[in-house]
Amino acid sequence: DAKTTQPPSMDCAEGRAANLPCNHSTISGNEYVYWYRQIHSQGPQYIIHGLKNNETNEMASLIITEDRKSSTLILPHATLRDTAVYYCIVRAPNQGGKLIFGQGTELSVKP
Amino acid sequence: DADVTQTPRNRITKTGKRIMLECSQTKGHDRMYWYRQDPGLGLRLIYYSFDVKDINKGEISDGYSVSRQAQAKFSLSLESAIPNQTALYFCATSDPSVGGSYNEQFFGPGTRLTVL
Repeated sequence: DAKTTQPPSMDCAEGRAANLPCNHSTISGNEYVYWYRQIHSQGPQYIIHGLKNNETNEMASLIITEDRKSSTLILPHATLRDTAVYYCIVRAPNQGGKLIFGQGTELSVKP
Repeated sequence: DADVTQTPRNRITKTGKRIMLECSQTKGHDRMYWYRQDPGLGLRLIYYSFDVKDINKGEISDGYSVSRQAQAKFSLSLESAIPNQTALYFCATSDPSVGGSYNEQFFGPGTRLTVL
């Protein structure tokens, strides 16, 4: 699986968009980008995933650059409950479902 | 009721003791996983199982063993606990029948284990 690089921490004002970057310069053509988050030692929670195209769901948007070497997770209107560690994971499909977690980005949403 | 449950939620034990952590799921998923998390770090995969007859080692299986008693149950054992196994342990499940890239894992609430 490709390695990912994320900033260790970020701050965001409540109500503003939170933009979390992830670098995955060695990503292969069949590898997807997944995002999970972990709120204060709870079990991680799936957010979104994508291959090439930008994706949006009820939780977030995922923007993947054209060369696929980086991506950005966007929480459009961050709330205090979005304070968590966000993990960017790159993985090929059907690789046993295994997820390789890095250290993630600790997002603090402040009032 | 939670779809993925773990017992116990907290456990303090002594070096050398045998410990079993249990995971149960009501999601009907075939795949189950055990991860551990150390403070300030991401999760690391210990063991995973694709069905009751299929068990695989993850990144850090030394010192651990598992048992898949049924589709819904996956237990993690520490045969002789040592202090550096103090960590937060998570169980997860996923459904391969969804297919393709969509392989969301559903995590339990975690077990906090302290080995003195």
